[in-house]
Amino acid sequence: DAGITQSPRHKVTETGTPVTLRCHQTENHRYMYWYRQDPGHGLRLIHYSYGVKDTDKGEVSDGYSVSRSKTEDFLLTLESATSSQTSVYFCAISPSNTEAFFGQGTRLTVV
Amino acid sequence: AQSVSQHNHHVILSEAASLELGCNYSYGGTVNLFWYVQYPGQHLQLLLKYFSGDPLVKGIKGFEAEFIKSKFSFNLRKPSVQWSDTAEYFCAVYNQGGKLIFGQGTELSVKP
Repeated sequence: DAGITQSPRHKVTETGTPVTLRCHQTENHRYMYWYRQDPGHGLRLIHYSYGVKDTDKGEVSDGYSVSRSKTEDFLLTLESATSSQTSVYFCAISPSNTEAFFGQGTRLTVV
Repeated sequence: AQSVSQHNHHVILSEAASLELGCNYSYGGTVNLFWYVQYPGQHLQLLLKYFSGDPLVKGIKGFEAEFIKSKFSFNLRKPSVQWSDTAEYFCAVYNQGGKLIFGQGTELSVKP
């Protein structure tokens, strides 16, 4: 497997609290992505990054922000978690438009 | 906006049956196309990919896919499925801007 680590793997948080998920890579890949996976919706792109400090919105970016201050780390922040953000979050990395490698996922529950 | 559509949400087959999963995308420019598989409780893994050249591409575990440019389609096929193919299958499209978009997924259940 590609060197990609998501943390935490599981988290339960309360509505209204901030939450940050971390994606760390050891492959020095240029592109990094955050997706959420929900039944019936497949994987939906939240935000992605094409370099340090270069990010762009995906399909479902409302309520989420990201930061990439180093090549190896891509942080996803829920400023004020809501129950609709309960989901499984996947990070992916890619050297170019060739192939993406996925992390193991983070299961987030907002109660 | 770029989008990917998978027509079948849940497919149930018996072992040895043939499989075809549909995928259509909407994007007028150059794209790279992928099929990923997710086994229960696991992350996504690449099955096969198409960048250019022969529109019939072969992947792992006996899967293949055909790119038909005029139909904006990239359908996945396997001549004879096995119980171990039970999983969720995702079609995905990369555009030149680096955005990777997935379809809704197709859940495949293979009965032994």
